[in-house]
Amino acid sequence: DTGVSQDPRHKITKRGQNVTFRCDPISEHNRLYWYRQTLGQGPEFLTYFQNEAQLEKSRLLSDRFSAERPKGSFSTLEIQRTEQGDSAMYLCASSRGGGSYNSPLHFGNGTRLTVT
Amino acid sequence: KNEVEQSPQNLTAQEGEFITINCSYSVGISALHWLQQHPGGGIVSLFMLSSGKKKHGRLIATINIQEKHSSLHITASHPRDSAVYICAAGHISQETSGSRLTFGEGTQLTVNP
Repeated sequence: DTGVSQDPRHKITKRGQNVTFRCDPISEHNRLYWYRQTLGQGPEFLTYFQNEAQLEKSRLLSDRFSAERPKGSFSTLEIQRTEQGDSAMYLCASSRGGGSYNSPLHFGNGTRLTVT
Repeated sequence: KNEVEQSPQNLTAQEGEFITINCSYSVGISALHWLQQHPGGGIVSLFMLSSGKKKHGRLIATINIQEKHSSLHITASHPRDSAVYICAAGHISQETSGSRLTFGEGTQLTVNP
């Protein structure tokens, strides 16, 4: 299966701990997105990469959140000093595109974070 | 008011029924996406459309750009269609050319046998 993969699927952590999630996009996709979804809500945009450059960050992404895509392939999302409000499903998506081309997104299965 | 609104929030149908889920958006878009999310979180893209109508199997998606409205129809519904269906408005950033999606809250569809 060459779809988008995310690791881990589930993460339980104590408040105040740091966590890091990984996303491996479809190999030929140059665009990578992180979304956050809380129960009963639609996903919310967090940040977007084109290759290794982080081009957009949502206001939702506080200083405790950082994302990287060092070689333009996989990406990591780190949350420092986790809070209970960070509990959510973190979704990664990738797409192929350039210029104004608008291509479908392919989503991973998400990482479910529970902060106790 | 959310930028993307879906109705209904919950929908229960009997197997075989024709189903319609509606989506209204309040901003200009580059494309309208319909997505399906099963329990456990995985999201699958069903349609991406910017005009007219698209059909895939028993699924049909339509969009009216002037009215800023889209519908997803399921013909001859089946229990395996039970899932959350999410409408998302796609915007192209003029600064970055990135495609950002603004999601509706989803419609929980349950199809009973």
